[in-house]
Amino acid sequence: EPEVTQTPSHQVTQMGQEVILRCVPISNHLYFYWYRQILGQKVEFLVSFYNNEISEKSEIFDDQFSVERPDGSNFTLKIRSTKLEDSAMYFCASSAGQTIDEQFFGPGTRLTVL
Amino acid sequence: GESVGLHLPTLSVQEGDNSIINCAYSNSASDYFIWYKQESGKGPQFIIDIRSNMDKRQGQRVTVLLNKTVKHLSLQIAATQPGDSAVYFCAEKWNAGNMLTFGGGTRLMVKP
Repeated sequence: EPEVTQTPSHQVTQMGQEVILRCVPISNHLYFYWYRQILGQKVEFLVSFYNNEISEKSEIFDDQFSVERPDGSNFTLKIRSTKLEDSAMYFCASSAGQTIDEQFFGPGTRLTVL
Repeated sequence: GESVGLHLPTLSVQEGDNSIINCAYSNSASDYFIWYKQESGKGPQFIIDIRSNMDKRQGQRVTVLLNKTVKHLSLQIAATQPGDSAVYFCAEKWNAGNMLTFGGGTRLMVKP
């Protein structure tokens, strides 16, 4: 069964450093998403991406965040200058279409900012 | 702002019993609802969904009920098994976009 994969599973970084979280969505999917989950809290939407551009973003997704599809298979989330409060699980998801199409989630990357 | 929320943070049931997990939503524009299961160390896993033009949908051992009058969503799990132990999230979506808004989560613990 096809699945979304994410690397690394755990990333530790120093405050102020840049990190890139990587995702490989399901191959025939067209819509890609990033969500985050701070420990003990609910999952929060960050951004959706379609046709090589951002289609929707939340207020969390400020100028320090960016997304990119550098090739035909990878989808990345970059955080330019990490802050302590960026520590969270980051989930990538993909869907074949939008609105009512199921979003498939990856296993997540745990980001720890020291 | 409007949000999705849950009534019970933890639900403990005996193996074999039925489980009911509840969710309240406040966005009347929401037209699609999903239940996700999240096991420790894993991402959310789709369980079942329902559109706003329906009030009930059944899957394998799971049923989702939607009451738009009181803006309430529930997930019923029949004959709960130890493998059902996880955190369950409801999520909503509306036509304006494709982002999911998640509730706070309910932890289901199944006692053998």
